[in-house]
Amino acid sequence: NAGVIQTPRHKVTGKGQEATLWCEPISGHSAVFWYRQTIVQGLEFLTYFRNQAPIDDSGMPKERFSAQMPNQSHSTLKIQSTQPQDSAVYLCASSRTDGTLYFGSGTRLTVL
Amino acid sequence: GQQVQQSPASLVLQEGENAELQCNFSTSLNSMQWFYQRPEGSLVSLFYNPSGTKQSGRLTSTTVIKERRSSLHISSSQITDSGTYLCAMERAGGYKVVFGSGTRLLVSP
Repeated sequence: NAGVIQTPRHKVTGKGQEATLWCEPISGHSAVFWYRQTIVQGLEFLTYFRNQAPIDDSGMPKERFSAQMPNQSHSTLKIQSTQPQDSAVYLCASSRTDGTLYFGSGTRLTVL
Repeated sequence: GQQVQQSPASLVLQEGENAELQCNFSTSLNSMQWFYQRPEGSLVSLFYNPSGTKQSGRLTSTTVIKERRSSLHISSSQITDSGTYLCAMERAGGYKVVFGSGTRLLVSP
């Protein structure tokens, strides 16, 4: 079991460019969560899928951010027209029905 | 307002001392979890503890759902316990898991 896999580990984009982050949850886990972590804001909830269906995206900035889960083996977080304030570590987690979250190593996004 | 309040924000211990970390929740919750974040950033689940007391080695978690609080006790601290401890709650009526701001622990020799 490789755990939750996130790619890339690091991504550097220029202001205005698009960034796509990938997450492969643990096989058999029904829920996938996306979080963003910065020193100032801590760990912020972005969005959540259960059985591939979007359940709660209340933490997603309404413009420029979107998340998909086209199949049970991966989810993507896309940020259009990236801005310096989007710089953060983006963390993906998956869970079984008992709710224990298992986190990936994260993607560190730097927007220049 | 902040739904999950953790205290203390930071803590310095000498090796061998005990620590008590607290989490208080402002809303009703279904369950809560404790995580350890290593200095390099990776997050490890310590406890999934909806209620009552759970122990794993030198760590003990106690959750009192009615009082909307949970604690993490670390006994006989070691240098390798240094890092950030985060609690998270799953809100009642939904599946969203919200994190506290963490307690930064430094254990010195």
